[in-house]
Amino acid sequence: KQEVTQIPAALSVPEGENLVLNCSFTDSAIYNLQWFRQDPGKGLTSLLLIQSSQREQTSGRLNASLDKSSGRSTLYIAASQPGDSATYLCAVIFLSSGTYKYIFGTGTRLKVLA
Amino acid sequence: GAGVSQSPSNKVTEKGKDVELRCDPISGHTALYWYRQSLGQGLEFLIYFQGNSAPDKSGLPSDRFSAERTGGSVSTLTIQRTQQEDSAVYLCASRQTYNAPLEKLFFGSGTQLSVL
Repeated sequence: KQEVTQIPAALSVPEGENLVLNCSFTDSAIYNLQWFRQDPGKGLTSLLLIQSSQREQTSGRLNASLDKSSGRSTLYIAASQPGDSATYLCAVIFLSSGTYKYIFGTGTRLKVLA
Repeated sequence: GAGVSQSPSNKVTEKGKDVELRCDPISGHTALYWYRQSLGQGLEFLIYFQGNSAPDKSGLPSDRFSAERTGGSVSTLTIQRTQQEDSAVYLCASRQTYNAPLEKLFFGSGTQLSVL
């Protein structure tokens, strides 16, 4: 059974720091991995999607890497800003009985202090 | 529409009552998912609709939960005889096609359900 773990559960950093969020999964037979951001009282917003054949994806100050064989992904946020404060979730995507299923981690709550 | 729309945004109900939660996916999106997010927990898969195929109901926690999708667009999640443990945020998501792994998943803002 696929399990997705995110460490740390919460993180508080001063503005301007570079930081790394971790996501690990137990079954490497995944199609893709997607990182999301969730603001309080809101739904999830997609940040980056990494194909299983890729090793990383970049969007602005965000860089996501994927090491499928070791079951790990990291989300790197450069020069953090207070507006980055949110919960970050990773989801692994795999095919089961013809359906693309998403298994989510429990998230990392990030607070960037001004 | 421009995004996934869910209504109501908040619902307070009494234990034992039935509730209906609505999801209007992005226009043209054929795949639709319902998830539940309890306080401090991850997202729990409930049900998945793909095109005109039979839905994947494997995540529904009990027979009090049901969902339908009319005309391949709007979906309604119904919870009968609500219990306090049903209190959670119910999130709907859609993606353009059901058989392409590169498609991103888009979420609505959710319905916060509180059962008193």
